[in-house]
Amino acid sequence: AQKITQTQPGMFVQEKEAVTLDCTYDTSDQSYGLFWYKQPSSGEMIFLIYQGSYDEQNATEGRYSLNFQKARKSANLVISASQLGDSAMYFCAMRGPAGGTSYGKLTFGQGTILTVHP
Amino acid sequence: GAVVSQHPSWVICKSGTSVKIECRSLDFQATTMFWYRQFPKQSLMLMATSNEGSKATYEQGVEKDKFLINHASLTLSTLTVTSAHPEDSSFYICSARVLGGGDTEAFFGQGTRLTVV
Repeated sequence: AQKITQTQPGMFVQEKEAVTLDCTYDTSDQSYGLFWYKQPSSGEMIFLIYQGSYDEQNATEGRYSLNFQKARKSANLVISASQLGDSAMYFCAMRGPAGGTSYGKLTFGQGTILTVHP
Repeated sequence: GAVVSQHPSWVICKSGTSVKIECRSLDFQATTMFWYRQFPKQSLMLMATSNEGSKATYEQGVEKDKFLINHASLTLSTLTVTSAHPEDSSFYICSARVLGGGDTEAFFGQGTRLTVV
């Protein structure tokens, strides 16, 4: 079974500063994928970044980077130069290995509410 | 990226009635769609996996007779909440797996906010 843990219910950051959102995971699979999504108050799920378990380099997408530490089973999201529009709920999620009709389903963490202060 | 359209975005219904939510893949074929439920300020919980042309697979604790899922084509899956009650009020959101596509992103619909009064 897969499990995702986000231990920060809420985080605050000053505008233009960087912030790290924590995510740890547990799985017995050798192949898996890790995702981060942003969910504003409208409810839509906005894809931010993806890291494959076999990717040797940390993923980056603009202001978002994923600090992937496989041995520690952590996949923290780093947002640089925070903006007011970054205020939202952030979810870490995991997908299992390829194969089977259920491939593609995600297991989500509890989420972290990020508030960016001006 | 691929577009998943979910309709309606919000619905209010009377207790005891049924509500149908549609999830469409607009520019790709989706053999598999996933339905999630999210209560306020909580995580997304998978309800069921919908495979085109076959019966849906429900997660433990989800009533299959209450949450009817139909995936009749490669671009459409529907979730019907039957005999809805106030405790079914929640945010329902679907996602789709791209047939033959890359797997670095899961595509979500916009979600449906259901309120049962």
